Amino acid sequence: RKEVEQDPGPFNVPEGATVAFNCTYSNSASQSFFWYRQDCRKEPKLLMSVYSSGNEDGRFTAQLNRASQYISLLIRDSKLSDSATYLCVVSGNAGNNRKLIWGLGTSLAVNP
Amino acid sequence: DAGVIQSPRHEVTEMGQEVTLRCKPISGHNSLFWYRQTMMRGLELLIYFNNNVPIDDSGMPEDRFSAKMPNASFSTLKIQPSEPRDSAVYFCASSPRGGQPGELFFGEGSRLTVL
Repeated sequence: RKEVEQDPGPFNVPEGATVAFNCTYSNSASQSFFWYRQDCRKEPKLLMSVYSSGNEDGRFTAQLNRASQYISLLIRDSKLSDSATYLCVVSGNAGNNRKLIWGLGTSLAVNP
Repeated sequence: DAGVIQSPRHEVTEMGQEVTLRCKPISGHNSLFWYRQTMMRGLELLIYFNNNVPIDDSGMPEDRFSAKMPNASFSTLKIQPSEPRDSAVYFCASSPRGGQPGELFFGEGSRLTVL
């Protein structure tokens, strides 16, 4: 089993739709969780951190479920500009939390 | 403010040649990371430095790869000799002192093709 797994997609949705991605992780000792966004042929950029209590940033909501070992990203009222690959990132255990484990990404295409 | 600067942006070379990739982190950041990205394996951490000292190089594929950080504003990743399977995008990233472990700022990457 991969350490971090994501559905590669692609998810094709119309503008204005709500779309959700899940990501599962295998190491129960993982400390920190993040979503990154990567546009085609560009570098990854931090989208948001994922806190135990969940967090929201505008149209984006991230949730963490430690019991089931997954994190989720919800995008509401999707825009054309949301088209990108979304990378799930999990930090290592407390001894080496600088070592991030990256999912392969979920591809989202928002269509007019 | 300048972000992480990498060079070259693109490199095409022949098998057996030496390749040197360069990175200038964001000023004031004290951690620097070298990643490799391929379609099959995604982003893989090769090595990271903290205060110019290599902390974890367990991701470096083999002896053909080496990385240095002679000062806080410069790092190199060298592949010698290069092989076709080294073809990938190599990203450098930096993070600030006291930042979250996942708060990385990436350069635009160096796209390497080894023929």
